[in-house]
Amino acid sequence: GAVVSQHPSRVICKSGTSVKIECRSLDFQATTMFWYRQFPKKSLMLMATSNEGSKATYEQGVEKDKFLINHASLTLSTLTVTSAHPEDSSFYICSARMDGGTDTQYFGPGTRLTVL
Amino acid sequence: AQSVTQLDSQVPVFEEAPVELRCNYSSSVSVYLFWYVQYPNQGLQLLLKYLSGSTLVKGINGFEAEFNKSQTSFHLRKPSVHISDTAEYFCAVSSPNTGNQFYFGTGTSLTVIP
Repeated sequence: GAVVSQHPSRVICKSGTSVKIECRSLDFQATTMFWYRQFPKKSLMLMATSNEGSKATYEQGVEKDKFLINHASLTLSTLTVTSAHPEDSSFYICSARMDGGTDTQYFGPGTRLTVL
Repeated sequence: AQSVTQLDSQVPVFEEAPVELRCNYSSSVSVYLFWYVQYPNQGLQLLLKYLSGSTLVKGINGFEAEFNKSQTSFHLRKPSVHISDTAEYFCAVSSPNTGNQFYFGTGTSLTVIP
């Protein structure tokens, strides 16, 4: 149980285009999901907290107009990287907190974004 | 505010030897503590967690960790490592008093040598 999926696992796009990444909790409901960014050989940086039915809460320094987050249902959150540039290339990981569960976050397998 | 320090960025160890990965945290409120493992190009998998109760926590794959409040530590141990344990290990702290946000350490790269 407690499986989180991400799609796509890898994406390559041209500079200036937009990319959407999906995060799904497959066997539980998650009012709260989180989006992280991980640089090579570095720890995870929390980008934003996604709440179903309300606006996401962004961490300081993260551009909300560039990284659009939509949490349309209790099992799906999406991150759209708008007008992507090469510096946006990174490993993006989502996590979900189970409704009614403990504080544990369950992580997706990550999405490798490469912007050419 | 909370923070996590993983003192060792890289730990090489021979197969079947014991290993300890160190984690120290700072927090002025009660905390939850977690260890996650990340294999190359994959997400994070929960190894174990401390929420309350017994300070010795057993996790998957033969790992265990001990919560030491006086030393503000949560070190991860395994008595005998396997090649398959080669991965990146992250310690994380959260607290219900501060919105349950996770704070991660910078990670420890464990390399098991045949």
